[in-house]
Amino acid sequence: EVQLVESGGGLVQPGRSLRLSCVASGFTFDDYAMHWVRQAPGKGLEWVSGISWNSGSINYADSVKGRFTISRDNAKNSLYLQMSSLRIEDTALYYCVKDGNGWLATDFDYWGQGTLVTVSS
Amino acid sequence: EIVLTQSPGTLSLSPGERATLSCRASQSVSSSSLAWYQQKPGQAPRLLLYGASSRATGIPDRFSGSGSGTDFTLTISRLEPEDFAVYYCQQYGSSPYTFGQGTKLEIK
Repeated sequence: EVQLVESGGGLVQPGRSLRLSCVASGFTFDDYAMHWVRQAPGKGLEWVSGISWNSGSINYADSVKGRFTISRDNAKNSLYLQMSSLRIEDTALYYCVKDGNGWLATDFDYWGQGTLVTVSS
Repeated sequence: EIVLTQSPGTLSLSPGERATLSCRASQSVSSSSLAWYQQKPGQAPRLLLYGASSRATGIPDRFSGSGSGTDFTLTISRLEPEDFAVYYCQQYGSSPYTFGQGTKLEIK
């Protein structure tokens, strides 16, 4: 059974940093690309960033480019999102998502339950 | 960036009825790289369809998809009580991998 478990969310002040983590199990992690998708309270889905199986291809949404960094450690079956210069509009539930392929991108076939990031003073 | 516009915003139907949800792209979606997701309150989204018309693992055959280029449709042939949820389309043909704003399917 595929499982994606996010952690690292919390309350943070504007301008500060936060690092999200996602531990994957139930599939061969280093065969697949991974993504972060976020959902602001009561709003729709917004793709944030994606990374290929070997970290050779990385993409970001314009809204986070230059502030967020996605990375992965295949030896630890883990995906990360380093978020800096956080803004109030970054407040959202952040989902860790598995891609259906090793390269960017195909369908997003498995989703974690999300970790909540709240940016507020 | 490819903008996806879903319609209607809300669809009110009864169990047993047929639902037709639309997703229109601002430019052609390459290789029918379009997916549909279902999200229920308090839950993560679930993949329903990929490649515009292929059902994901475990998805009942009352869910079907069609379309190409800029116009795509999700059809639920006979609504079951568990189908009332929010549905999102998404294109993954080019970065950024954008989502539509969602269609809420509610019980009439």
